[in-house]
Amino acid sequence: GQQLNQSPQSMFIQEGEDVSMNCTSSSIFNTWLWYKQDPGEGPVLLIALYKAGELTSNGRLTAQFGITRKDSFLNISASIPSDVGIYFCAGQRSGGSNYKLTFGKGTLLTVNP
Amino acid sequence: DAGITQSPRYKITETGRQVTLMCHQTWSHSYMFWYRQDLGHGLRLIYYSAAADITDKGEVPDGYVVSRSKTENFPLTLESATRSQTSVYFCASSVREFFSPLHFGNGTRLTVT
Repeated sequence: GQQLNQSPQSMFIQEGEDVSMNCTSSSIFNTWLWYKQDPGEGPVLLIALYKAGELTSNGRLTAQFGITRKDSFLNISASIPSDVGIYFCAGQRSGGSNYKLTFGKGTLLTVNP
Repeated sequence: DAGITQSPRYKITETGRQVTLMCHQTWSHSYMFWYRQDLGHGLRLIYYSAAADITDKGEVPDGYVVSRSKTENFPLTLESATRSQTSVYFCASSVREFFSPLHFGNGTRLTVT
């Protein structure tokens, strides 16, 4: 299947710091999605990106769809303890079908109060 | 309560046993999915369903069977469990196939001894 390289694998930050993570692929994707998984729960959609170059915010979260369509970035500003969790990127190739959704391996975020 | 419910939350079974994981959603979403989550692999699609009585294989279907006699239920059966099937299993649903976010259940942690 398609491969998404998500980095970093884990991050340990202090409360109040900004966070950046990204996903890259050797293939072009038409949709990029960012999910967060809290401990013991299923992933929840944070941001969906449908157009190359698109920059979308959701509160303190901002995500961008790379111009090359091979990458996406997620930034979290002024982190708080409840930001702890695993962040997944996911990409869809042609058509945007959920059957063809490829997930990255996740970034584990730890926030020290 | 509305949503997507998985049961059981935790299951321990022995190699060779048959085990069924249940998934129930109250949104009447047409599309349902089963994923497994493993360290180093992220989320991988096992099976999906577009509607009642319509199912198809995902990326890692071997050793699994699904059925969907009713729109709201999508059980996943391991016919003869193996240790390699020890994983966390997530059920998800979406309204449409395209450009429609996945809504995940809280997962079933399965251990095969």
